Amino acid sequence: QVQLQESGPGLVKPSQTLSLTCTVSGGSISSGSYYWSWIRQPAGKGLEWIGRIYTSGSTNYNPSLKSRVTISVDTSKNQFSLKLSSVTAADTAVYYCARDSGSYLIGAFDIWGQGTMVTVSS
Amino acid sequence: DIQMTQSPSSVSASVGDRVTITCRASQGISSWLAWYQQKPGKAPKLLIYAASSLQSGVPSRFSGSGSGTDFTLTISSLQPEDFATYYCQQANSFPRTFGPGTKVDIK
Repeated sequence: QVQLQESGPGLVKPSQTLSLTCTVSGGSISSGSYYWSWIRQPAGKGLEWIGRIYTSGSTNYNPSLKSRVTISVDTSKNQFSLKLSSVTAADTAVYYCARDSGSYLIGAFDIWGQGTMVTVSS
Repeated sequence: DIQMTQSPSSVSASVGDRVTITCRASQGISSWLAWYQQKPGKAPKLLIYAASSLQSGVPSRFSGSGSGTDFTLTISSLQPEDFATYYCQQANSFPRTFGPGTKVDIK
C-alpha cells in the first residue's frame, strides 16, 4: 500500500528556508486524482494545513503562509516538496506530508507520513 | 477561514464507556468533515470521512454524524487503545482547518 516518508534537515536557522521532501512509495504519485499536502503541528498544539499540490502542478496554499510557501512535485522521483522561507521560531513544528483523498473520501487526509521534527534555532 | 471548535477539550472516561465528542464549524460545510485519532508521537489516523463514513479498517465502535455546522464523533464502548486525542477537520473550503482537539484519557 501507499506510504509516505518525510526527509530533510531537522534544524534550520532563523531567516533561512526550510526544505522538506516527501517520498511516495508503494504506488505512483500520479495514480488517481489525489492531492499531496503538507500539514504541521507545533509541540503540544493542533494541526495546521500548509498547502497541497496536484500532479499537474496546481497548488492551494494557506493564506497565512502563502507568501513564504512553495510546494512542488517531481513525478519522476515520486516525490513532492515543501519550501518555507524566512523561518522563525514560530515555524518549529513536526511537519507531516499527507495524501488528500480529493473526491474519493470528501477531502480527508487518508495517508500520512510519520512526521519530521523541524526546529528553527541559531 | 472556517473556524472549527470542539467540545469538550478533554474527557476522562473508563473502558467500556460511551464517549461523544462534538465539533462545530463557523459556517455550513455540508458533510465535508473528517475525524482523526492521534496518539502521542504518531501521525493522525483517519477514522471518519464525509461526516459519517467509516474509513476502511476502523472498528465499528467509532461512528460519526451531523451535517451543516454540527457534528459528533461517538465511541460506543471505549477500549484501552482508544485513549488518544481526536481532531475534526473541514474540507469544504480553503484553507483546510482542524479543530483544536479533544483528549480522551483514562478516568
